[in-house]
Amino acid sequence: EDQVTQSPEALRLQEGESSSLNCSYTVSGLRGLFWYRQDPGKGPEFLFTLYSAGEEKEKERLKATLTKKESFLHITAPKPEDSATYLCAVQAIRAGNNRKLIWGLGTSLAVNP
Amino acid sequence: KAGVTQTPRYLIKTRGQQVTLSCSPISGHRSVSWYQQTPGQGLQFLFEYFSETQRNKGNFPGRFSGRQFSNSRSEMNVSTLELGDSALYLCASSAGQGVPGELFFGEGSRLTVL
Repeated sequence: EDQVTQSPEALRLQEGESSSLNCSYTVSGLRGLFWYRQDPGKGPEFLFTLYSAGEEKEKERLKATLTKKESFLHITAPKPEDSATYLCAVQAIRAGNNRKLIWGLGTSLAVNP
Repeated sequence: KAGVTQTPRYLIKTRGQQVTLSCSPISGHRSVSWYQQTPGQGLQFLFEYFSETQRNKGNFPGRFSGRQFSNSRSEMNVSTLELGDSALYLCASSAGQGVPGELFFGEGSRLTVL
């Protein structure tokens, strides 16, 4: 069964303390992996798409990487405004036009000033 | 460019009632997806509509239904509400072609069932 697991569930960092969030996936074939950020009371906001192992994407203090079994979201020198829940989603290769995404439960990140 | 608009933002219903939620996608987007989000289950896919046709469906009972209008606006309906239907219901729009995971979400409708 297709599955996405994110770890840790929650992470607390000091401002400037770099770290990584993990998204491991089990799918028969990967069509794409997506990272989102969700602030309390808001809908998720799209961050990155990764398609193949070895691919990397960067945006400000965030860098997403992809291997054949997992993706990492690296946060360099985080600031309090990076506090949010980070969600990972995967689209598996399926027959037909099945575009459903499989979502992880997210990592809740808190950055203290 | 206006974002995805969902109404109402908050609502309280009692068991057995029914509810209709509305979503206006980003102008030009033809695909609208609906998700249920709860703390324990995360984001659960309900269905996707593209050009007024249901293109994909999740594993929810028939009490959950939706539709899309010719202007791409979408509604979802939940009949015979149960306590377990309490959740944040999110609508996401996209162009509908190309990369399926680049979704633009609304702020959600928070449903509480008493």
